[in-house]
Amino acid sequence: EADIYQTPRYLVIGTGKKITLECSQTMGHDKMYWYQQDPGMELHLIHYSYGVNSTEKGDLSSESTVSRIRTEHFPLTLESARPSHTSQYLCASSDGDRGHTNTGELFFGEGSRLTVL
Amino acid sequence: QKEVEQDPGPLSVPEGAIVSLNCTYSNSAFQYFMWYRQYSRKGPELLMYTYSSGNKEDGRFTAQVDKSSKYISLFIRDSQPSDSATYLCAMSIAGYQKVTFGTGTKLQVIP
Repeated sequence: EADIYQTPRYLVIGTGKKITLECSQTMGHDKMYWYQQDPGMELHLIHYSYGVNSTEKGDLSSESTVSRIRTEHFPLTLESARPSHTSQYLCASSDGDRGHTNTGELFFGEGSRLTVL
Repeated sequence: QKEVEQDPGPLSVPEGAIVSLNCTYSNSAFQYFMWYRQYSRKGPELLMYTYSSGNKEDGRFTAQVDKSSKYISLFIRDSQPSDSATYLCAMSIAGYQKVTFGTGTKLQVIP
C-alpha cells in the first residue's frame, strides 16, 4: 500500500477563497506530481517536482502553484478559487528510474475533491 | 487528436466472464505501457506494466502490446465483482518522465 496522503479529501468553498491542498509521502521519493482528474477525461499533469526546490508546470495550464521545500511534502495552492477549479486533484510520487524499466511507477494518494461554489 | 484513446465504457459483464480492455495510441516513441486500476473514491494503483511489444501475465491478468498496430490490451480472466473499477491505460517514453493516460474504462462485474 502506498504511503502517500492527501488532505483534505473533500472541500467545498466559495469563490475567491485561498486554498491549499496538502500532499505528503513517506517513501523518500524524489519525484512528486499533481494531476487533475475530471469525469470521463484523462489525468492531466498540472505540476511536477524532481526534488527539493524544483518545480515545473505540467501539460495542462493551471492557475495553481506548488512548492517543494521538503522531500516529503508537495502542497498545491490556489490563491483565489473559482468554479472552473472544481475538480479532483491527485498527488503522486515515484522513485524515478527503476533499473532497466525506467517507468517510475506512480504511487497515488486518494485524491482531494474540490468544489468551488 | 489525443495521444491515447480509450473507450470510457461503462462495460458491464457477468461474473466469470473474460474481459478485454483496449487502448490505441499515436506516438510511436512510447515504449513503456501500463495499466492502472482505480476504485471509486481512490487513487489509481499500478496493475501491470510491459516494455515494448509482447505479452505479460500475472494471475488472472494478461497485458498485450502490439507496437506495430499501436494497440494495447488488458485481459481479465474469470472476472470477479472485486474487479469492478476504472482501468486506465498509461504509457511513457523511456528516459522521459511524462506518463500519458487514457480516459479510463469503467468496468462492472455483476455477481
